[in-house]
Parts: sequence; C-alpha cells; structure tokens
Amino acid sequence: DAKTTQPPSMDCAEGRAANLPCNHSTISGNEYVYWYRQIHSQGPQYIIHGLKNNETNEMASLIITEDRKSSTLILPHATLRDTAVYYCIVRAPLRSGTYKYIFGTGTRLKVLA
Amino acid sequence: DTAVSQTPKYLVTQMGNDKSIKCEQNLGHDTMYWYKQDSKKFLKIMFSYNNKELIINETVPNRFSPKSPDKAHLNLHINSLELGDSAVYFCASSLDRGSYEQYFGPGTRLTVT
Repeated sequence: DAKTTQPPSMDCAEGRAANLPCNHSTISGNEYVYWYRQIHSQGPQYIIHGLKNNETNEMASLIITEDRKSSTLILPHATLRDTAVYYCIVRAPLRSGTYKYIFGTGTRLKVLA
Repeated sequence: DTAVSQTPKYLVTQMGNDKSIKCEQNLGHDTMYWYKQDSKKFLKIMFSYNNKELIINETVPNRFSPKSPDKAHLNLHINSLELGDSAVYFCASSLDRGSYEQYFGPGTRLTVT
C-alpha cells in the first residue's frame, strides 16, 4: 500500500496562503491523492482530490508533481476556521470497483490571528 | 438534517462487555464504512458495505461484527470489549463504491475501563 508522509504541524498567518506538503513516493499509477481535514475531533471532511493534473475547487488547490511522488494542498487565504488536522490520503483500488483510503498521520495546521 | 448520524456519541463500558454503535445516513448512498481512530489520531478503515453487501473487511478481530439491515444503516457490534478497543469510531457513506467523496459522521468515542 502506498503511504503518505506529512509534517506533523504548521502555522500560518490569517489571510495568507497555507501550503501543506505531502510525500507519496510509492504511489501507483492508478492511485488518487485525496485531502481531507478534521476540525477538532469532528468527522473528516473532504477537500479535494487528483490523479495527475492540478486541481482547484472553492476550498483549495492541489498541485501534484509530474512524477506524482509528492503534492501540495494550498488554502489560498487561510482563516481561523481552517485550523484543523489535514490528511493526505492515497485511495487504493481493491477489486470490483472498490477502493479504500489509506490515511497518513496528518498535519496539524494552526492559523494565527 | 444530519447527513450521517451515529449513536451514541460517547460510550463508557467495562472490559468484557458487549456493545453496539449505530450509524444511519439519509443521503441515499449505497456504500457505508466504519473507521477506527486511535489515540494517536491514526484513522484506519475497518469495514465497508455496499447495498448491504460486505465489500471491505480489513484485519479486524472477530469480536467486531458489522451489520447492515438496509443500505441506510450500518451498525457495529463489539463483543468482549478490551482496553485496546478504546478509540473514536467513525461511520461514513459514499454515493457508491467508486465515488470520490466520503461523508463522515460525528464519531463515537468508546472508552473501555
């Protein structure tokens, strides 16, 4: 199974961009990279996902390197409500269209006022 | 309306007891999941059901038995509880087994004394 490596914690000033890195050097060609976040022991919340190309939605941008061995989640204008643990996840295919998430240890992002 | 709900939110019990955690989703999704988050905040898939059929069964002790009476419900029964079962258990659902987004419930904090 592919695994992800993330820094355990990061700080970011409110209003600035938060760039959260993730290494997934053993990822396979058909495994997607996902990002979820968990705010203060609530259930994880989906943010974004991608395979090869960079992706953007209303919450964040995902930059995946060309060799797919690492990615960066970008929160363009961090707010205090973005303080959370951010998980970089590989979605591994099993069989018959079934997938499982392999969670990393996450990065605890603290947005500072 | 809560999309994915779990009961109870907190569960404190003694070693050796049998307990159940219930999960319901009102999203009309076909696929549901149970995850365990340990004290180090590491999230790991335990089971997944698709339309009442078991599709993922990770290496989990036989004391854990999921039951899906219909596709909107996935309950987790645990026999002979042990100290190591103390964790937060999250239920999740997705539109189908290949869907990119999973919706997580609020979690059930189980404490075994």
